[in-house]
Amino acid sequence: DAGVIQSPRHEVTEMGQEVTLRCKPISGHNSLFWYRQTMMRGLELLIYFNNNVPIDDSGMPEDRFSAKMPNASFSTLKIQPSEPRDSAVYFCASRFGLNTQYFGPGTRLTVL
Amino acid sequence: QQQVKQSPQSLIVQKGGISIINCAYENTAFDYFPWYQQFPGKGPALLIAIRPDVSEKKEGRFTISFNKSAKQFSLHIMDSQPGDSATYFCAASFPNFGNEKLTFGTGTRLTIIP
Repeated sequence: DAGVIQSPRHEVTEMGQEVTLRCKPISGHNSLFWYRQTMMRGLELLIYFNNNVPIDDSGMPEDRFSAKMPNASFSTLKIQPSEPRDSAVYFCASRFGLNTQYFGPGTRLTVL
Repeated sequence: QQQVKQSPQSLIVQKGGISIINCAYENTAFDYFPWYQQFPGKGPALLIAIRPDVSEKKEGRFTISFNKSAKQFSLHIMDSQPGDSATYFCAASFPNFGNEKLTFGTGTRLTIIP
C-alpha cells in the first residue's frame, strides 16, 4: 500500500493567494483527518470526515479555511486568502474504523 | 483547553540508557492512549498504544505504563539507541464514533547521544 499521499510536499506562496492542499487516503479507510503542526501550537486537528461527511470542523481557525471530501479517495484543504500566520506543516491522516490513524508525509506551507 | 499535558519538552539520554516521557490527562472518559513517533520531515507514526484496562504494555524496547487513578501514562524506551532520536507525542481519544478525534500532547524531542 502506498500510504497516505499528500501534494504538494512544499508550497511557497504570497499573502493573499489561494492555496489548495490535497490528500489521498489509504484505500478502504473511512475516516480522514486534517492537522496543522507549528512549533508554537503543536499538532492541531482542523477537521475530520467519516464516510466523506465532515463530523467536526471546530478546529478550523477561521472562514478562510475550508475542506472538502468529494469521494472516499480524495480530500482538499483550501486557504483563501492565505496569510503569513498560516505557515505550517499540514498533515492528512486516514483510518479504518476506530483503528490507528496513518499520517501522510505532510505539506510544508510558507506564506510570504 | 489543554487536555493532555506532556513532559519534558526535550530530553537527552545516553546510548543504552532509559528514556522516560510522561503524560497526564484530565478527561476520565478517554479510552485510548497512543504514542506517536515523528522523525524530521515525516508524519507522525503510531509507536505503541494502550487502553485503560491494563497497566502496562510492552513491545520490544518500548513500554507504556498506565496509572488510571493518577490519570497519567508514560513511555519508557529501554536501551535507547541513536535511531530513537525523534519527537514523541502522547495522545488520547474517546471510544465512540463521532467523537474519536485524537488530542495530542505538545511533544518531546528526544536526543540519544553516543
